[in-house]
Amino acid sequence: DAKTTQPPSMDCAEGRAANLPCNHSTISGNEYVYWYRQIHSQGPQYIIHGLKNNETNEMASLIITEDRKSSTLILPHATLRDTAVYYCIVTANWGNEKLTFGTGTRLTIIP
Amino acid sequence: ETGVTQTPRHLVMGMTNKKSLKCEQHLGHNAMYWYKQSAKKPLELMFVYSLEERVENNSVPSRFSPECPNSSHLFLHLHTLQPEDSALYLCASSQEEGVNEQFFGPGTRLTVL
Repeated sequence: DAKTTQPPSMDCAEGRAANLPCNHSTISGNEYVYWYRQIHSQGPQYIIHGLKNNETNEMASLIITEDRKSSTLILPHATLRDTAVYYCIVTANWGNEKLTFGTGTRLTIIP
Repeated sequence: ETGVTQTPRHLVMGMTNKKSLKCEQHLGHNAMYWYKQSAKKPLELMFVYSLEERVENNSVPSRFSPECPNSSHLFLHLHTLQPEDSALYLCASSQEEGVNEQFFGPGTRLTVL
């Protein structure tokens, strides 16, 4: 049962901001939004996570809507190395909750 | 470099062979995981270890046998595999079980002939 919905693919021009949407309309109060990415033939890489406030780190920004039913991952200045599959995952951060990866969004950065 | 290493990176084996995949983490984490990623399918969690004890086994066939001798090392022993077991096998670790900031290794690409 998919907790998130993401577009299967997106393109973004190099140097522009890449905005990746994720819908999670059934998210519950104790569940976080996690983002990972997987560059071809590598293991997934943690990017960022949040509960309800917007978050920013050296890799990206995470914007969560006030009702928490959707979020957007923002890569502020996309480079060719950002081409990857991006996974949005909703999970509680305790006990036996696990990461469940869906099919993600394949982001291609165009030179 | 994530602090999680896996060996070998590539492995080809016959259905009657026995082989082992190795994972090592240098992060001081207490939880380690095995995932399987088949072509065109999402990552599937196989096993979870917390403080060297197996805490989850997601209905994985017995031809896959994990071992966690200490909190830094995790093995996946393989025997009498099938061609459909060909996949990328990924190891990950996290500070504690249930902490979902996981650090993944580069994976072992397994081909079963």
